[in-house]
This record gives sequence, structure tokens and C-alpha cells, in this order.
Amino acid sequence: QKEVEQNSGPLSVPEGAIASLNCTYSDRGSQSFFWYRQYSGKSPELIMSIYSNGDKEDGRFTAQLNKASQYVSLLIRDSQPSDSATYLCAVNEVTGGGNKLTFGTGTQLKVEL
Amino acid sequence: NAGVTQTPKFQVLKTGQSMTLQCAQDMNHNSMYWYRQDPGMGLRLIYYSASEGTTDKGEVPNGYNVSRLNKREFSLRLESAAPSQTSVYFCASSLGGSGSEAFFGQGTRLTVV
Repeated sequence: QKEVEQNSGPLSVPEGAIASLNCTYSDRGSQSFFWYRQYSGKSPELIMSIYSNGDKEDGRFTAQLNKASQYVSLLIRDSQPSDSATYLCAVNEVTGGGNKLTFGTGTQLKVEL
Repeated sequence: NAGVTQTPKFQVLKTGQSMTLQCAQDMNHNSMYWYRQDPGMGLRLIYYSASEGTTDKGEVPNGYNVSRLNKREFSLRLESAAPSQTSVYFCASSLGGSGSEAFFGQGTRLTVV
């Protein structure tokens, strides 16, 4: 079982709608969680980080964390065509060798006009 | 401020050839990572270096070696390239510590024929 799980999609939403992206992780000791956006042919770029249970809002983006359920989500309000990309969930794991960042397979989001 | 710089951007190798992918960061980060990205597989960790002088295997280390040359540089070597190593390779760096985000280089597209 992969340590970080995401639905690969594609997730299609109409312009202006809310897009909801989900991620589950297996390591109960993980403390830090990140959402990256990756456009086709480009590098991943960080859009949100979250460390505590609850919601964290930044503009149109809201990250939600539930450590008891080992679940992280990203909500994108008022979705725009420019939001069409692959969204990668990443979880920081503490190992004997230090911290390592493990990614899910990503969810492809398509925002339709 | 260049961030994370990878060279080369593109490379074609014949089966059995060797090559080294170079990565350098100018953000004084402690941790550095090498990932590969294949369609539908997300980012898979090959090796990471939590701090200068240390390296550890990630999820898919077979067929690769790494060197943390100094704090700035982390190289990935393919000793005998195989078609299964055709992929996009990303180098990333972070401050280290559980809460630190990773910054990515622009990627190297490698084809092994």
C-alpha cells in the first residue's frame, strides 16, 4: 500500500465551482502536509502547507487536516481554467535518516468553461 | 537567486551508458532529494540527503547512486542505463526539519533507448 494515496482523476468541475481534492496517508507520526500544483511539463510548486488539525485558508484555497482520520484535503473555490493542473499531496515523514517528503500520485483537475 | 538548478534539461542515452545528473541549490538548504516522475506514478523518491554528509535510500533506489558533494550539490548517477529509467527526474531541496517545504528544480527529461 502506497504511503500517500490520492484519486488520480481526472476531476472535472465547471468554472466557478468548488473543486475538492482528497488525500490519505499511512504514517500516524507525520506532522507536516503540503499541496503542490504541477502544470503539464513543469515542476511542482507549493500552494499550501498545513500542520494542525482544522482548516487553513489562503485566498481561494483551503487546506483541511484531520490527523485522527489521516486525511488531508484541498478545496479550491471559484475554480478557474487556470487551475487546471495536477495537484500533488505530500507528507513529511520522520525517519532514522532524517525527514523525507513522500508524494501521492496526484489528482488531475480540469476546470471546464 | 536561481533556487534549484538541474543539468542537463534533456538527455538521450543508449542502454548501458552511464551519466550523472547534477543539482545545485543556493538557498542554504540542508536537505536535498531526487525524485523520478512517470505517467500515473506521481513523484517517487529515489534518494535523499537530510544533511551534508548523509544519504539514504528512498522508494526506488535500484540502479542509482548519489553523492552529496557539499551542502549545495547533490548528484544522481546512473551507472548502466536501462530503458526502465526513462523518466523525468526532479531534484528538490528544503531547509530540513518536519515543517519545511521543498523547492524543485526544472527537471531533467531522460530517455534511454
